[in-house]
Amino acid sequence: DTEVTQTPKHLVMGMTNKKSLKCEQHMGHRAMYWYKQKAKKPPELMFVYSYEKLSINESVPSRFSPECPNSSLLNLHLHALQPEDSALYLCASSQVRLSPGELFFGEGSRLTVL
Amino acid sequence: DQQVKQNSPSLSVQEGRISILNCDYTNSMFDYFLWYKKYPAEGPTFLISISSIKDKNEDGRFTVFLNKSAKHLSLHIVPSQPGDSAVYFCAARARYNAGNMLTFGGGTRLMVKP
Repeated sequence: DTEVTQTPKHLVMGMTNKKSLKCEQHMGHRAMYWYKQKAKKPPELMFVYSYEKLSINESVPSRFSPECPNSSLLNLHLHALQPEDSALYLCASSQVRLSPGELFFGEGSRLTVL
Repeated sequence: DQQVKQNSPSLSVQEGRISILNCDYTNSMFDYFLWYKKYPAEGPTFLISISSIKDKNEDGRFTVFLNKSAKHLSLHIVPSQPGDSAVYFCAARARYNAGNMLTFGGGTRLMVKP
């Protein structure tokens, strides 16, 4: 199983809603990531988890709250988002620090904030 | 300040000819470089990588060249096929980073015409 599965594929929410994005992998990877990608822009790193602990937070606003309940799951909790947060949210996983170190990406969750 | 740059947003090539995608970087702490391919509505998929201690890596129709003194890498696809039409992202990993966090370039859209 070399898949990273993300749900939902599409999400529309209002600025006062609370929702969550979910990500799952069964490759035994102990590093998991959230990236945000706006149209015609590269993916931008948001968070990195290593061994289920948050190791990198790229100055992401607190309205985005990541959670790693176990080594296979990664969530991104969303609350009080702004329309400019509309984007494709990509989850990825990898070995923690082995070469070549490629990330395996999910298909993404496309979020629209009204 | 973009640390990884792909200066050509798009490239059009005839089927059977060579496609050359270019990438420049500024951070001398990058120790691994990767190319990802992205189809619409899908997450990026890993294509090929190169360590900073090498200057060439080849995998079938795909070859990546690294020129460390120029801080430049390129991806060659020979022969190009219509199925290669996608957005190609160059990415780099810094040796001091936790996990395998990657910095992505802006992407180049490759169109291979039959």
